[in-house]
Amino acid sequence: KAGVTQTPRYLIKTRGQQVTLSCSPISGHRSVSWYQQTPGQGLQFLFEYFSETQRNKGNFPGRFSGRQFSNSRSEMNVSTLELGDSALYLCASSRETGGGYGYTFGSGTRLTVV
Amino acid sequence: DAKTTQPPSMDCAEGRAANLPCNHSTISGNEYVYWYRQIHSQGPQYIIHGLKNNETNEMASLIITEDRKSSTLILPHATLRDTAVYYCIGSHGSSNTGKLIFGQGTTLQVKP
Repeated sequence: KAGVTQTPRYLIKTRGQQVTLSCSPISGHRSVSWYQQTPGQGLQFLFEYFSETQRNKGNFPGRFSGRQFSNSRSEMNVSTLELGDSALYLCASSRETGGGYGYTFGSGTRLTVV
Repeated sequence: DAKTTQPPSMDCAEGRAANLPCNHSTISGNEYVYWYRQIHSQGPQYIIHGLKNNETNEMASLIITEDRKSSTLILPHATLRDTAVYYCIGSHGSSNTGKLIFGQGTTLQVKP
């Protein structure tokens, strides 16, 4: 079956711009989580959506936002981009939320802010 | 969520078993232990998870101590493709959590 699909794979943006990243979960998965990975901070949780509702949020500024659609597809948006937002953004999906279920990760979107 | 401690790096000979330890002494009764691995520049890959009992799947075995304060991931016959960063994570079993807290993990180097 198809895995978690993230688009685009690579993105270059200028400081001050905004960006929208997309994630299509595995069919039947209702939970979608987003993570940011940088060399300095490692993998950090951004937020999680389940049935179109944000269920959990990490410690990131309000410039980072997301949403989930009725078909479980999710988008995350970063406004007023800063150089420090350059990172690999990863999306993960699971059949349900919470413990007892493994999460499947996508290959990520590599964002470079110049 | 439980704090986990893993050795920063380990080596293993190809074909031998790789035993990756994880300490999670603060884990609570309803927290699962998850193991993921990440091969360079790819998304993390789910390996296995468990609550109290030992678990085995086609990739690995997970041995959890009776007091649940530590666990060991066993790759029975390591190959060069198993070279990766391995993460041990404690995560709540409640329905309001979809959050995985990744530490620095263990970099496993499988050598020929």
